[in-house]
Amino acid sequence: GESVGLHLPTLSVQEGDNSIINCAYSNSASDYFIWYKQESGKGPQFIIDIRSNMDKRQGQRVTVLLNKTVKHLSLQIAATQPGDSAVYFCAENNQGGKLIFGQGTELSVKP
Amino acid sequence: GAGVSQSPSNKVTEKGKDVELRCDPISGHTALYWYRQRLGQGLEFLIYFQGNSAPDKSGLPSDRFSAERTGESVSTLTIQRTQQEDSAVYLCASSYGSANTQHFGDGTRLSIL
Repeated sequence: GESVGLHLPTLSVQEGDNSIINCAYSNSASDYFIWYKQESGKGPQFIIDIRSNMDKRQGQRVTVLLNKTVKHLSLQIAATQPGDSAVYFCAENNQGGKLIFGQGTELSVKP
Repeated sequence: GAGVSQSPSNKVTEKGKDVELRCDPISGHTALYWYRQRLGQGLEFLIYFQGNSAPDKSGLPSDRFSAERTGESVSTLTIQRTQQEDSAVYLCASSYGSANTQHFGDGTRLSIL
């Protein structure tokens, strides 16, 4: 039969604005979380990670926030640029090695 | 380059044929992972190798799927008697130990006619 791709949640922002991408994770025992960026035709590219003993971590133009109480993760991108346009995935490290990926959010940056 | 390398980048084959996908991890990385990504979806875990330990095969969808790894280097993912639902991008990742950042290759796009 015909296969139909799912429509990803989409976030559209103006160049220069800040972006916030949210993710709910599934397992309260997960202790390591990662954000990946995936451009068309490419593999996921590491952006930033955070361990469960922290609630905030900052990188260059990116910040990850972790709220373990409600099992929520967010990625903040400051001064969003056209090159930030991609699909963003959160992932949790569960059961020792394999990553459990979220559905993904497509970020579209308007010049 | 020093990244994870996968081959072929694209593979088109007829239903019922066997396919073999290859992954060269980053040198020195002890852990290697295979994931599947269907169109418009996130990545699904397939299998994970860590050093000399028995691989975690818990994500393999059927006995048509198998994977091997030679020491801490190359891995091959084999799909026997391919079906149309096997069409997807197959991604390989490696890391230094299991609790560290996984670095991904660009995947093999598999299309089953």
